[in-house]
Amino acid sequence: QQQVKQSPQSLIVQKGGISIINCAYENTAFDYFPWYQQFPGKGPALLIAIRPDVSEKKEGRFTISFNKSAKQFSLHIMDSQPGDSATYFCAASTFSGSARQLTFGSGTQLTVLP
Amino acid sequence: DAGVIQSPRHEVTEMGQEVTLRCKPISGHDYLFWYRQTMMRGLELLIYFNNNVPIDDSGMPEDRFSAKMPNASFSTLKIQPSEPRDSAVYFCASSLRPSNQPQHFGDGTRLSIL
Repeated sequence: QQQVKQSPQSLIVQKGGISIINCAYENTAFDYFPWYQQFPGKGPALLIAIRPDVSEKKEGRFTISFNKSAKQFSLHIMDSQPGDSATYFCAASTFSGSARQLTFGSGTQLTVLP
Repeated sequence: DAGVIQSPRHEVTEMGQEVTLRCKPISGHDYLFWYRQTMMRGLELLIYFNNNVPIDDSGMPEDRFSAKMPNASFSTLKIQPSEPRDSAVYFCASSLRPSNQPQHFGDGTRLSIL
């Protein structure tokens, strides 16, 4: 099963708060887990990514936590800002054919209130 | 640096008409991907190319859909004949060799079939 399940569908957070988005997968062949950020009218843009050999990766205010045994990973946005308001997609990737193919979650619409 | 360029940004046409979407990948990128984004199904991979050669078209929904990449700087996605259920945002993405480089997305074409 190639599915990646993402929750919540929408999230409202106050400025300065922590935003948490969760994803779960089934296929143990997935070996690369990126998060994409999408603003209205724009394409998804890579935000941060992690490989399953580490449990956490941090870049600025964005942190991925990864639990290989539970097959779950999450995005934490610290000190959330109104400019972070966007749709966030988790993805899981494995090689298929000659390319790394992405399977996307359904997306989380984040709104950060000023 | 110019990113992935897609045209047109918006397309409205009547059912039964032929639709052609265009994509210019980032110069030097060896892989090109076409995705479709809908509320119901999220982001789905339709087809991808490596060095202008179609590698996996298993995501193409029907024979009405076709894609070509005549050279390294241009690709088209064609729908003929179009149907209202084809209405979606279509994204093109490209990535560098090796194939585990992140995919860079264009801003998409919003297609509406009346």
